[in-house]
Amino acid sequence: DIQMTQSPSTLSASVGDRVTITCRASQSISDWLAWYQHKPGKAPKLLIYKASNLVSGVPSRFSGSGSGTEFTLTISSLQPDDFASYYCQEGFTFGPGTKVDIK
Amino acid sequence: EVQLVESGGGLVQPGGSLRLSCEASRFTVSSYAMHWVRQAPGKGLEHVSAISSDGGDTYYATSVKGRFTISRDNSKNMLYLQMGSLRAEDMAIYYCARGYCGSTSCANQIFDPWGQGTLVTVSS
Repeated sequence: DIQMTQSPSTLSASVGDRVTITCRASQSISDWLAWYQHKPGKAPKLLIYKASNLVSGVPSRFSGSGSGTEFTLTISSLQPDDFASYYCQEGFTFGPGTKVDIK
Repeated sequence: EVQLVESGGGLVQPGGSLRLSCEASRFTVSSYAMHWVRQAPGKGLEHVSAISSDGGDTYYATSVKGRFTISRDNSKNMLYLQMGSLRAEDMAIYYCARGYCGSTSCANQIFDPWGQGTLVTVSS
């Protein structure tokens, strides 16, 4: 089975900061990677699919890159609404998540 | 707007059973595989089960195989998860989600949209 890891597990940042989250797969997954945002009490939200494709309606400050085994989610200028947990996913496997909180 | 609404969660004793439901609106579930994903307290997301668009193929995580049964009623636009022999480690918020394709597993496996979830508490 493919294992997914994410770093960091927690990230403290301020509004306006550039934030980067890394996701690594235990073997090559081409570009079959998605990113989700999850806030407590809310439904998880798909942000990016196929590594770099932004879902319609998601702000352009979110971007994804990578292929093979290493991927990144970048938020170019962190906004108050972006404080949440972020998960990468391939197939039935989710990464352990990265919590972005207020510095 | 496409929407999924889960129901059926609650408090159940260890060893007990519970049936979760997920109602879809503004899209036809018969065209998509459907999935259940859970989040235990303080933990991340865990995929639990999937069912193909025609109901002919199912998938279960090792942790629930033999105890949970996924099903669907396309005529009612509904998805179900029958949970049995419940354990403390099954306590979680359970989300239903729409898959990208009709089969349980496909290359571009993405989950969108998701419901708000229903809480299952397993305790004596």
